Amino acid sequence: NAGVTQTPKFQVLKTGQSMTLQCAQDMNHEYMSWYRQDPGMGLRLIHYSVGAGITDQGEVPNGYNVSRSTTEDFPLRLLSAAPSQTSVYFCASSFMGTQYFGPGTRLTVL
Amino acid sequence: AQKVTQAQTEISVVEKEDVTLDCVYETRDTTYYLFWYKQPPSGELVFLIRRNSFDEQNEISGRYSWNFQKSTSSFNFTITASQVVDSAVYFCALTSAGNNRKLIWGLGTSLAVNP
Repeated sequence: NAGVTQTPKFQVLKTGQSMTLQCAQDMNHEYMSWYRQDPGMGLRLIHYSVGAGITDQGEVPNGYNVSRSTTEDFPLRLLSAAPSQTSVYFCASSFMGTQYFGPGTRLTVL
Repeated sequence: AQKVTQAQTEISVVEKEDVTLDCVYETRDTTYYLFWYKQPPSGELVFLIRRNSFDEQNEISGRYSWNFQKSTSSFNFTITASQVVDSAVYFCALTSAGNNRKLIWGLGTSLAVNP
């Protein structure tokens, strides 16, 4: 039982490049979410999903896309990376209201 | 609107001291959950505890204890006999019961336990 996994752990992008942050969970949780963590701003919700085929926006969705084709996977896509998207990204899955987090992806956009 | 306030930005203690991290929340919901998470220097977010709004019993787990008081909308976290390994950022969070399970986060308290 791996819990919540995220890849990659580190990524450097140039402005304008696109990429996908992968997130998977093996706990059969319906609810999954993506957060970004920035110094002094805490964790902010980007997108979330209450089940396969259903996604919705969080506080800071601009510049990011998500899809949820299976219960297990919830990838986050950066369409055209900007320096403002430099951050640490966490994926989480939830059971009975408790969220369990992946190890995070540290993204730098130059 | 829901809000979580952790007024202590940074705390520094000497090993073996007791330390209390404060968390004050605001919500209009009658049923909600409160959480504490730990983020050590390695960066991962570790779930510590969940408390339901209808259960005001204090909880103790080893050196950790939590004091939930609805009358003051507080959910404070005490570490007894702190250790260097307790050095981390601690986050308090709130969510409503029901389908909307978005977590509302405090900004965290950075705890440094010095030898």
